[in-house]
Amino acid sequence: DQQVKQNSPSLSVQEGRISILNCDYTNSMFDYFLWYKKYPAEGPTFLISISSIKDKNEDGRFTVFLNKSAKHLSLHIVPSQPGDSAVYFCAAPRGGSQGNLIFGKGTKLSVKP
Amino acid sequence: GAGVSQSPRYKVAKRGQDVALRCDPISGHVSLFWYQQALGQGPEFLTYFQNEAQLDKSGLPSDRFFAERPEGSVSTLKIQRTQQEDSAVYLCASSTRPLKEAFFGQGTRLTVV
Repeated sequence: DQQVKQNSPSLSVQEGRISILNCDYTNSMFDYFLWYKKYPAEGPTFLISISSIKDKNEDGRFTVFLNKSAKHLSLHIVPSQPGDSAVYFCAAPRGGSQGNLIFGKGTKLSVKP
Repeated sequence: GAGVSQSPRYKVAKRGQDVALRCDPISGHVSLFWYQQALGQGPEFLTYFQNEAQLDKSGLPSDRFFAERPEGSVSTLKIQRTQQEDSAVYLCASSTRPLKEAFFGQGTRLTVV
């Protein structure tokens, strides 16, 4: 039972364009969502989060949108840079701790110069 | 140290061997988590400590897996009688307290042959 789903295993975009990474979830009780970024041979690093009481959170080039009725969130990166090439994981906290997370399978983003 | 440190970075074990994986969390971080990441998957929760107390071990896949954090800082994940399906990257994460985003180490890649 996959509660957090990332259905696109990979995405390729041109430098300077927008990258949109999608995530769907099944549990309407999730009250917080996080995006992590992972480079090869490194651990995931926290990127941005959003509370379920909001529908948008922006941090520089990164914006996360939450559509609760559709149980869908998306991460927008604009403009995309080659250094953004990584695997992006969507995650939601299980229970009361943000550390105990349920992760999606990830989407590998490639930004081409 | 500045970040979460895990050792060894790589471990090759023969099937049936016992292994011990070490995690040094960020100093002062109360919460510590272990995750298992199989190839092409997102990290999956194994266990959670708050200081020295193991509050959740629901993700440990079998009784061959054991984790401890006796003094509330360094943690060890032990896998007894390793099997090929144990091959994965084992990630440790720590956070200042529950409800705060966790910082991940680089992981230990375990290969069971």
